[in-house]
Amino acid sequence: EDQVTQSPEALRLQEGESSSLNCSYTVSGLRGLFWYRQDPGKGPEFLFTLYSAGEEKEKERLKATLTKKESFLHITAPKPEDSATYLCAVPSSRDKVIFGPGTSLSVIP
Amino acid sequence: NAGVMQNPRHLVRRRGQEARLRCSPMKGHSHVYWYRQLPEEGLKFMVYLQKENIIDESGMPKERFSAEFPKEGPSILRIQQVVRGDSAAYFCASSLTGNTEAFFGQGTRLTVV
Repeated sequence: EDQVTQSPEALRLQEGESSSLNCSYTVSGLRGLFWYRQDPGKGPEFLFTLYSAGEEKEKERLKATLTKKESFLHITAPKPEDSATYLCAVPSSRDKVIFGPGTSLSVIP
Repeated sequence: NAGVMQNPRHLVRRRGQEARLRCSPMKGHSHVYWYRQLPEEGLKFMVYLQKENIIDESGMPKERFSAEFPKEGPSILRIQQVVRGDSAAYFCASSLTGNTEAFFGQGTRLTVV
């Protein structure tokens, strides 16, 4: 069964303390992996698409990487405004996008 | 290019009434997803539609819930005879194809009183 898991469930960082979020997936024939950010009360905001192992994408303090089994979202020197829930998602074998449960990130000033 | 538009943003219904949630996808997008989210919980897939077709409704309760995406006009998620447990945020997303990233609307927050 196609599945997406994320860890940790929640992460608290001091401002400036770099860390990584993990997204693991089991799907037949990966056809892309998507990262989103969701702020409370809002719809998820698209961040990145990764298509093949070894691919990397960057945006400000965020960098997403992809291997054959998992993806990492690296956060370098985070700021309080980076606090949000980060979601990853993959197209399943049935062409519907399935989401992981998310990692809730809190960056403390 | 306008994003995904959902309306209403907030909807209050009494138990037993009907709720109709609308979603206009991004221009050129023919794939629409509906998700439900309870407070402090993740996104739960409900239904995946393409123009005039339901592709996957495995996440949608078989009773009281229905969805459509007509040739013209927005996608509609319809909940009949609402109960308190239907109170949640309902998000719609659209994509160009089944393999490309989906873009979300701001959601409809349904409250059943």
